[in-house]
Amino acid sequence: DVKVTQSSRYLVKRTGEKVFLECVQDMDHENMFWYRQDPGLGLRLIYFSYDVKMKEKGDIPEGYSVSREKKERFSLILESASTNQTSMYLCASSPRSYPSSYNEQFFGPGTRLTVL
Amino acid sequence: AQTVTQSQPEMSVQEAETVTLSCTYDTSENNYYLFWYKQPPSRQMILVIRQEAYKQQNATENRFSVNFQKAAKSFSLKISDSQLGDTAMYFCAFMKGNFGNEKLTFGTGTRLTIIP
Repeated sequence: DVKVTQSSRYLVKRTGEKVFLECVQDMDHENMFWYRQDPGLGLRLIYFSYDVKMKEKGDIPEGYSVSREKKERFSLILESASTNQTSMYLCASSPRSYPSSYNEQFFGPGTRLTVL
Repeated sequence: AQTVTQSQPEMSVQEAETVTLSCTYDTSENNYYLFWYKQPPSRQMILVIRQEAYKQQNATENRFSVNFQKAAKSFSLKISDSQLGDTAMYFCAFMKGNFGNEKLTFGTGTRLTIIP
């Protein structure tokens, strides 16, 4: 079974803190993704990485950065947490093969981050 | 840019009934893929079903089937003989068909409750 794990299920931080969210996958997938999930807004892509040290901005990258130093690990960084970053954060990974429709994304359990 | 619209924020049906969840999308692409993902309460998101836009035949997976209307840009999910375990958030998602672009655009979700 593909396993995508996230470092914390629940996290409480204070405004201005630097926050690290970690994601690890064990299936040697090339692609990794960070989403935030908010009620009524669905899932929105923050950043995407298709290879080690490679990254692409998603739809809402402002206030976030990412790091991918190893293939299995993709970190999301909130440089200075703000209350509007309170949300559920989901990590996902997928292989990179053809056809793309078979590149199913596998999701982690999510981290519910509260910024006070 | 692609958009995905799910117009039913919440639905509920009796166990064993059939339910249809709606999804429409907007794109100028001709080659793309569509997906339905399921997020059970407090559990990880999983893929339910996928559809390649170039295929006219509607995808089916056991009790789950889709009605794909390419000209109308509609992609609804039908769940037959609904079960309590079908209670979940359901997200419709779009992916461009060009290899190397495996980002998903999600709708806002439909919360489905199966009533015993």
